[in-house]
Amino acid sequence: QQQVKQSPQSLIVQKGGISIINCAYENTAFDYFPWYQQFPGKGPALLIAIRPDVSEKKEGRFTISFNKSAKQFSLHIMDSQPGDSATYFCAASRLSYSGAGSYQLTFGKGTKLSVIP
Amino acid sequence: DAGVTQSPTHLIKTRGQQVTLRCSPKSGHDTVSWYQQALGQGPQFIFQYYEEEERQRGNFPDRFSGHQFPNYSSELNVNALLLGDSALYLCASSRGRGYNSPLHFGNGTRLTVT
Repeated sequence: QQQVKQSPQSLIVQKGGISIINCAYENTAFDYFPWYQQFPGKGPALLIAIRPDVSEKKEGRFTISFNKSAKQFSLHIMDSQPGDSATYFCAASRLSYSGAGSYQLTFGKGTKLSVIP
Repeated sequence: DAGVTQSPTHLIKTRGQQVTLRCSPKSGHDTVSWYQQALGQGPQFIFQYYEEEERQRGNFPDRFSGHQFPNYSSELNVNALLLGDSALYLCASSRGRGYNSPLHFGNGTRLTVT
């Protein structure tokens, strides 16, 4: 059972354009929704994250929009640049887990973004 | 300040063999998680270690085992390797689990099983 569904699988955007990646989740217990960026040969790096009591979060050119009732969230990359070409993963987690230790992330399958000059 | 370091970077094993992967967490972090990333897929949670004990486990068989040492470093062991175990194995470290406790990933170990 795939708990986080991500689309599109790949995306080509012109330099200066807006890149939009969408995710949907099933588990209503999720309370933390990060986006990770992964370059070839590297591990994923946290880009931006949101909690469900906020509908939008913006950091520089990156914005997360969150729709709790629809169980959907999306990443918008404004003024996309060739350096943004990477694979993007949405993820979800339940920070309220009561056990010891930290949290586990459930990832989407990823979106390969190519920004062409 | 070194981030999460993993070794080796690449490894080739034969089906049926055993493998050990190593991870040193980011300075100040006390929790280590392991993820498997198959080609073209998102990372999948294997398990997590905190205070030298396995605290959470994903849907992986017991051929996958681990260990955490007193210095917080960790090992992932996979026995009786299958071709399907070929993947990038990622280690992530963290401290706590608030919104301000992000997971930091290493660059992974690429395991190829032939």
